[in-house]
Amino acid sequence: LAKTTQPISMDSYEGQEVNITCSHNNIATNDYITWYQQFPSQGPRFIIQGYKTKVTNEVASLFIPADRKSSTLSLPRVSLSDTAVYYCLVGELHNTDKLIFGTGTRLQVFP
Amino acid sequence: EAQVTQNPRYLITVTGKKLTVTCSQNMNHEYMSWYRQDPGLGLRQIYYSMNVEVTDKGDVPEGYKVSRKEKRNFPLILESPSPNQTSLYFCASSAMTSGRVDTQYFGPGTRLTVL
Repeated sequence: LAKTTQPISMDSYEGQEVNITCSHNNIATNDYITWYQQFPSQGPRFIIQGYKTKVTNEVASLFIPADRKSSTLSLPRVSLSDTAVYYCLVGELHNTDKLIFGTGTRLQVFP
Repeated sequence: EAQVTQNPRYLITVTGKKLTVTCSQNMNHEYMSWYRQDPGLGLRQIYYSMNVEVTDKGDVPEGYKVSRKEKRNFPLILESPSPNQTSLYFCASSAMTSGRVDTQYFGPGTRLTVL
């Protein structure tokens, strides 16, 4: 059962690239890595998911090294609206596995 | 519109008075789950269900019950609420692919206060 470790908070300025790293030393062979974004008083929203190497979509990129013990969410040119909490989630559901979100990383973007 | 709905959105109750928070999804998802969110603790899973009549405990199941009699509904039941169950609750649903949970869609949340 993989658990994750993320920085509690990060600060950035508009227009900068932000990289948030998640450690998951006990990741299992069949586990995927998923990132969610949450704004205050709203439910989390899916950002990106990957298994290995690099995944990119219109919102972010996800970098996963060969050992898969960590992953990095990259947000290009952040804006004020990217201020949120970002969660890294690792897991594959079998009969008794649970999904663990962790405490997330609070990103604050300044003008 | 694909969505997960929860009711009520806000609830203030007293210790020991049974309550139910409903959750419904219209996406025909197999997987549904309940989370609670508390300051400094992130999201913690309470119960989850991989299909009708199949439910399992998450990380913090004590004091909660769930049922999955229909695919679309997954109510959360607090038989005897206590103040430590004051929290923000989220329901989520997801399709499953080859035993793996896909993107989870979250409801708007239910803010519960137990006095």
